[in-house]
Amino acid sequence: RKEVEQDPGPFNVPEGATVAFNCTYSNSASQSFFWYRQDCRKEPKLLMSVYSSGNEDGRFTAQLNRASQYISLLIRDSKLSDSATYLCVVNRNTGFQKLVFGTGTRLLVSP
Amino acid sequence: SQTIHQWPATLVQPVGSPLSLECTVEGTSNPNLYWYRQAAGRGLQLLFYSVGIGQISSEVPQNLSASRPQDRQFILSSKKLLLSDSGFYLCAWNVGAVTSEKLFFGSGTQLSVL
Repeated sequence: RKEVEQDPGPFNVPEGATVAFNCTYSNSASQSFFWYRQDCRKEPKLLMSVYSSGNEDGRFTAQLNRASQYISLLIRDSKLSDSATYLCVVNRNTGFQKLVFGTGTRLLVSP
Repeated sequence: SQTIHQWPATLVQPVGSPLSLECTVEGTSNPNLYWYRQAAGRGLQLLFYSVGIGQISSEVPQNLSASRPQDRQFILSSKKLLLSDSGFYLCAWNVGAVTSEKLFFGSGTQLSVL
């Protein structure tokens, strides 16, 4: 089992739709969590951190459920420019590879 | 502002040939520097990190090596490439503790070993 698991998708949605991605992690000692966005053949870029109380940044809302060990990302009013792969990242703060990246969920927003 | 430069963007190399990928960071001092590899269908895998000149950490023995000859320069090398070395290589940096989460990535090098 992978330490960070994501549905690879693709999620195909029309413009204006609301879409949600989930991510599960196996290491209960994980301390912090993030969503990165990666466009095709480009570098990942930090989208937002995920806080225990949930947090919002414009059309993006991130939630953390420590008891169930999952993280979610909600995108409202999808734009064509939201088409990308969204990487779930978990900091377990131990070992060599402290940041563990999921394989990503691909989102395709169509007109 | 800080910037990170990584080159080349794409590289096609024959099996057994050497490799040298370079990464430089501007606008910051004493950054932590990282080399990641992203293979198809897999998450980013950390290959090496460095917290200072000449300091290289790696966990998994592999066909690659890294060096940090200057504060803001990080080099990924191989003497003889293998087919399995193909992938998307990303340099990254941050400051503070290595556990600091926010990573800033270079634009990546797509390496194809044939």
